Amino acid sequence: KNEVEQSPQNLTAQEGEFITINCSYSVGISALHWLQQHPGGGIVSLFMLSSGKKKHGRLIATINIQEKHSSLHITASHPRDSAVYICAHSGGGADGLTFGKGTHLIIQP
Amino acid sequence: NAGVTQTPKFQVLKTGQSMTLQCAQDMNHNSMYWYRQDPGMGLRLIYYSASEGTTDKGEVPNGYNVSRLNKREFSLRLESAAPSQTSVYFCASTRPAYSNQPQHFGDGTRLSIL
Repeated sequence: KNEVEQSPQNLTAQEGEFITINCSYSVGISALHWLQQHPGGGIVSLFMLSSGKKKHGRLIATINIQEKHSSLHITASHPRDSAVYICAHSGGGADGLTFGKGTHLIIQP
Repeated sequence: NAGVTQTPKFQVLKTGQSMTLQCAQDMNHNSMYWYRQDPGMGLRLIYYSASEGTTDKGEVPNGYNVSRLNKREFSLRLESAAPSQTSVYFCASTRPAYSNQPQHFGDGTRLSIL
């Protein structure tokens, strides 16, 4: 079965803390996507990666293809980082993404 | 630069009514998608269109039909709405399928079926 598991489901942290969200998947993939969804809002693509590591500002995404595992890190977290973070993968064709259930992150000031 | 535009943003229907959700993108993308998002379920693919003139079923197609009207527009139709179709619907688009590219999402349509 084509599953994507995220952990934790919910995370509350204090401003400034280092945040890690994990994603595991069960099949071979072409690319791993990290997306962000603010409350009541749309969905924005943060990263797409098929190997190694990518960094954008305070966000870092890593992937281990052999282990079928990816992590999203947030350094120096800020209340504006509060959102749902969603992991998804694509198989290389045009047949859409398979999503995890999301991690609900709250950063308290 | 609008990106992906969905209409309407909100809709309330009665069971048995029909309606069409509209989606348009201005990024010259070939592939377009309809997803639904339900609490505790994550996003699930309803239908997709790899390119103009083609459509295919996703994970949860029952009760829906789609039309790829042209390269820009991809509509989702509920012929006879059911309460189980209460959900938030997202349209997305991306560049040609042979190269992995990020998907661009609309703001969603919040649909309630009474």
